[in-house]
Order: sequence, then C-alpha cells, then structure tokens
Amino acid sequence: AQSVSQHNHHVILSEAASLELGCNYSYGGTVNLFWYVQYPGQHLQLLLKYFSGDPLVKGIKGFEAEFIKSKFSFNLRKPSVQWSDTAEYFCAVLTDSWGKLQFGAGTQVVVTP
Amino acid sequence: EPEVTQTPSHQVTQMGQEVILRCVPISNHLYFYWYRQILGQKVEFLVSFYNNEISEKSEIFDDQFSVERPDGSNFTLKIRSTKLEDSAMYFCASIPGTSASNEQFFGPGTRLTVL
Repeated sequence: AQSVSQHNHHVILSEAASLELGCNYSYGGTVNLFWYVQYPGQHLQLLLKYFSGDPLVKGIKGFEAEFIKSKFSFNLRKPSVQWSDTAEYFCAVLTDSWGKLQFGAGTQVVVTP
Repeated sequence: EPEVTQTPSHQVTQMGQEVILRCVPISNHLYFYWYRQILGQKVEFLVSFYNNEISEKSEIFDDQFSVERPDGSNFTLKIRSTKLEDSAMYFCASIPGTSASNEQFFGPGTRLTVL
C-alpha cells in the first residue's frame, strides 16, 4: 500500500535556527508532491509543490524542498525560522492527477523566541 | 482571491443524529473532495466527486456517509447517524481539473463534535 512517512512528530527549535523536515513516500510511479502548513486555528495552506522539472522547489515564506527520486524523499527546509513558523507541517503525495492526496502524519513545529 | 468556504465552523451534535456539513468550492472548479482529521492524527481522504458522482471513496466512507452537490455551488457531506468516533475536523477541497496544476485548495474546516 502507498504511504507517506514524516520522520519527526514534534520539533522544537529557537528562532534563527535552520529547519529540515523529512518526508518519504512509497510509490514507484510518477508523483506530485506537496507540503502544506496549518497554523494554529487555521486551515491547510499550500507551502510549495513539485510536479516536474527542477527538483529543488521554492515556496512561500522562505521554504524550499528537494525532491530526490532515488530516495523517494521530499524534505522541507528553511534556513532561518521565525516564531511565526510555529505550525503543523504536512507532506502529501498525489499519485493520480485528480485523485486523493495522501498525507503524512504531520510534524508539529514550535519555534521559541 | 477566491477561496473554499465551509459552514458551520463548529458543529456539536448528539450521537445518532444526522449532520450535514456544507462547502462552497471555488466557482470554476470541477473536482471536489472531503477529508477529515481526527484530533492528533493525520488528514485522511474520505471521498472525491466529479461530474455529479463519486469518483473515489475510502473505506472510512461507509453507508453512513453521503455527498451531494444539490445546486451549482454547494457540496455537502451528510453523516446519517453520527458516532462518537466521527468527531473530527472535516475539510473540503477543490481543484480546477482543467489545467496542469492539480493543487487542491482547502477550506477552513468544520469541527464536528459528537457527544
């Protein structure tokens, strides 16, 4: 069965620290990859997405992610986090153009001042 | 910027009661989805809908659930007889379905609490 794994459930870090969240998926075919963010009390918002082309994608708020096909990974990074980056981050995979998103379990990120 | 809207934001109901969660997808979108997120768990797919019929449903989406697009704008999820374990955040999403971008746009969610 297809699955999406996020390596960390909780991450606590200080402002200005670098962030990297791991995401791996199990599916052998073509995938579209997404990172969504959910700020406290708010709905899911798209941070960035990979469909094809350059495997290093840049998103909003200074986030970027790298698709490594050989590792089935799509890790999210931000060089210097801010307190406002406190949120839950979800990796999601789409294996069928108009089909369902499969989400990872999410990573709760807390940035301390 | 157009967005997906959902009502109500919070619904409290008694076990066994029927609830209808409402969504208004973005107006020119063609594919619609319901997902749910039980507190502390991951977002799970429930059902997708296209051309006035269900295109895919998960094993969660049993006979207690149904979806409908009663008019040109609303997309509803009905739970016929709610159970305690139906308590969750329910998200609606939509996509245009006509371009290379298949980004799903999510609504703010309805928090369903079954007592």
